[in-house]
Amino acid sequence: KQEVTQIPAALSVPEGENLVLNCSFTDSAIYNLQWFRQDPGKGLTSLLLIQSSQREQTSGRLNASLDKSSGRSTLYIAASQPGDSATYLCAVENYGGATNKLIFGTGTLLAVQP
Amino acid sequence: EAQVTQNPRYLITVTGKKLTVTCSQNMNHEYMSWYRQDPGLGLRQIYYSMNVEVTDKGDVPEGYKVSRKEKRNFPLILESPSPNQTSLYFCASSLRTGGFGYTFGSGTRLTVV
Repeated sequence: KQEVTQIPAALSVPEGENLVLNCSFTDSAIYNLQWFRQDPGKGLTSLLLIQSSQREQTSGRLNASLDKSSGRSTLYIAASQPGDSATYLCAVENYGGATNKLIFGTGTLLAVQP
Repeated sequence: EAQVTQNPRYLITVTGKKLTVTCSQNMNHEYMSWYRQDPGLGLRQIYYSMNVEVTDKGDVPEGYKVSRKEKRNFPLILESPSPNQTSLYFCASSLRTGGFGYTFGSGTRLTVV
C-alpha cells in the first residue's frame, strides 16, 4: 500500500531564505508526482508535475526533483516571500494495484516571516 | 480559462436534508473524482469516474452518491447528510488516469448540524 510522508510538518523561515520541502513515498510504481499549494480553507493549486521518467521540473522560483528509486521528491523554493506562506502537498499517482487516484502526503505548513 | 468549478463554496445544512454539490470542468477531461479533506486524515477519495456513465467507489464512499451523465459534470449527492460528513470537499479532473496531472476545484466547505 502506497504511503506518502512529508517532512517537516511545519516550517517557519525569514523572508529571502531558500528552503527545501521533502516528500517520500513507499512504492516506486508511480506515473508521476505532483506538488500542490493550498491556502487556508481554499482549493489546491497545482505547482509542478513530474513524470516518473523525469528528474526535475522548474517553474519560476520553484524546482521539484524526483528520485523514484529512493522514493523521494524535494520542492525547492528560492528567495522565499511572505506570499509563499501556505500548506504544500505532494501526491503520487500509482499504476498497478492502486490506480485511479492521487495519494496525498499530510502536507508541510510553511510560514515565511517578513 | 481552464478550470474545475464547484458550487456552492460554503454550505450549512441540517441532518437528513438531501443536498447536491455540483462540479463542472471545461477541459474535456475524461476522469473526474471527489475527495474530502479532514484534519489529521488528509485527502481521501470518495468516488471517481473514468468517463461518462462509468463511476466507482473510492476509499470512503459511504453516505455519498455520484452520477456522470455528461462529460463535464460530476455532482456529489448526500441523500441524508450526517454531522460526520462535515468536511472540505474537492472535485478534481484529469485528461485521463495515467500521468496527466490533476486540476482541482476551489473546494466546498460543508457543515452538517
